[in-house]
Amino acid sequence: GAGVSQTPSNKVTEKGKYVELRCDPISGHTALYWYRQSLGQGPEFLIYFQGTGAADDSGLPNDRFFAVRPEGSVSTLKIQRTERGDSAVYLCASSLAGTADYEQYFGPGTRLTVT
Amino acid sequence: AQSVSQHNHHVILSEAASLELGCNYSYGGTVNLFWYVQYPGQHLQLLLKYFSGDPLVKGIKGFEAEFIKSKFSFNLRKPSVQWSDTAEYFCAVNAGGSQGNLIFGKGTKLSVKP
Repeated sequence: GAGVSQTPSNKVTEKGKYVELRCDPISGHTALYWYRQSLGQGPEFLIYFQGTGAADDSGLPNDRFFAVRPEGSVSTLKIQRTERGDSAVYLCASSLAGTADYEQYFGPGTRLTVT
Repeated sequence: AQSVSQHNHHVILSEAASLELGCNYSYGGTVNLFWYVQYPGQHLQLLLKYFSGDPLVKGIKGFEAEFIKSKFSFNLRKPSVQWSDTAEYFCAVNAGGSQGNLIFGKGTKLSVKP
């Protein structure tokens, strides 16, 4: 079956612009996670959705970052006033439910470059 | 705050050599432990996981890992590596609560020479 998909695969934007990154989870997965992977680092947790609600957004670095999942399926990560330090690969993962005993399936990521 | 340390940034081995990748975590409570692998050009995928019970867990492709609670470690091993094991390996921890969000180490890149 289809895995987690993310669009776009690459995004280049200028400093100060607004970007949206999209994640399509595996059908039926209620939990959705966003992670950010900077060069030479492991993925860093950003936000976790259970259904439509953000159950934990403690990893969002500041208020320029926001994510939604209005219908409990597709999620969009939104970054305002982008900065060069936002350049990273943004990963999305989904799982059947939100506890650790359910495997997280990762998407291919969106590589964001802020110039 | 929880953290995960992976001691080796890049490991280079010849085929048939034995592999051990180190992973230590800092968290005093109950943890769930994971190893993820990312093959070149592919997504992150789960290699193995530990929740409870036998501290020696076996995963896919002949990998295993041992949880040593007293050392806060969860090292990954494979007796004989193959060229196809060339990948980046990430250790991750979950604090065993009601949420599945993971804390990852920086990763170890493994290069296996044919």
